[in-house]
Amino acid sequence: AQTVTQSQPEMSVQEAETVTLSCTYDTSESDYYLFWYKQPPSRQMILVIRQEAYKQQNATENRFSVNFQKAAKSFSLKISDSQLGDAAMYFCAYRSADTGNQFYFGTGTSLTVIP
Amino acid sequence: DGGITQSPKYLFRKEGQNVTLSCEQNLNHDAMYWYRQDPGQGLRLIYYSQIVNDFQKGDIAEGYSVSREKKESFPLTVTSAQKNPTAFYLCASSGQGVWTEAFFGQGTRLTVV
Repeated sequence: AQTVTQSQPEMSVQEAETVTLSCTYDTSESDYYLFWYKQPPSRQMILVIRQEAYKQQNATENRFSVNFQKAAKSFSLKISDSQLGDAAMYFCAYRSADTGNQFYFGTGTSLTVIP
Repeated sequence: DGGITQSPKYLFRKEGQNVTLSCEQNLNHDAMYWYRQDPGQGLRLIYYSQIVNDFQKGDIAEGYSVSREKKESFPLTVTSAQKNPTAFYLCASSGQGVWTEAFFGQGTRLTVV
């Protein structure tokens, strides 16, 4: 099984500031996708952003962007201009065809936004 | 509206009883998944199915069973053999393409009383 590691169980950020959540993964495959999901207090999982391993350009979705370092097997999420609604658990996930299209999730980072 | 529906939202079970969690999707997705979520442990895969009438065990399948008789439905049974069933359960579905994301239901909170 693939391993996805989120080494920061908890993070906090001041409203309007920027925060970066870390994710590393272990794989020997060359083609795969990486995802960040948000789970607010309602517990509904929501896709934030995705990145294809073959694309060198980092994905961006409004205030959310990633720093994808393929050689280092690192996939961090940057949240700019943090808002109170960004407070949630964030999960990093990995998916590849070579592993039966399963999703492998990290253990999550709980983000607190301080007003 | 297309989506994935889990029911019930809260479920209470007496020790020694089997209980079935429902998961239905109308997204025409081939793949469906069941995850268990415990504090500090992320999402752990229980079972997944890539096609009707076929499913595979995930990392923590012991004490659980599933069926996939219809493309839209993937119910999970928590049996009395599951020693610690109290948890939050999430069902998800996705397209077969590796680029497609997982869509999740709202979850079922199971409590053994």
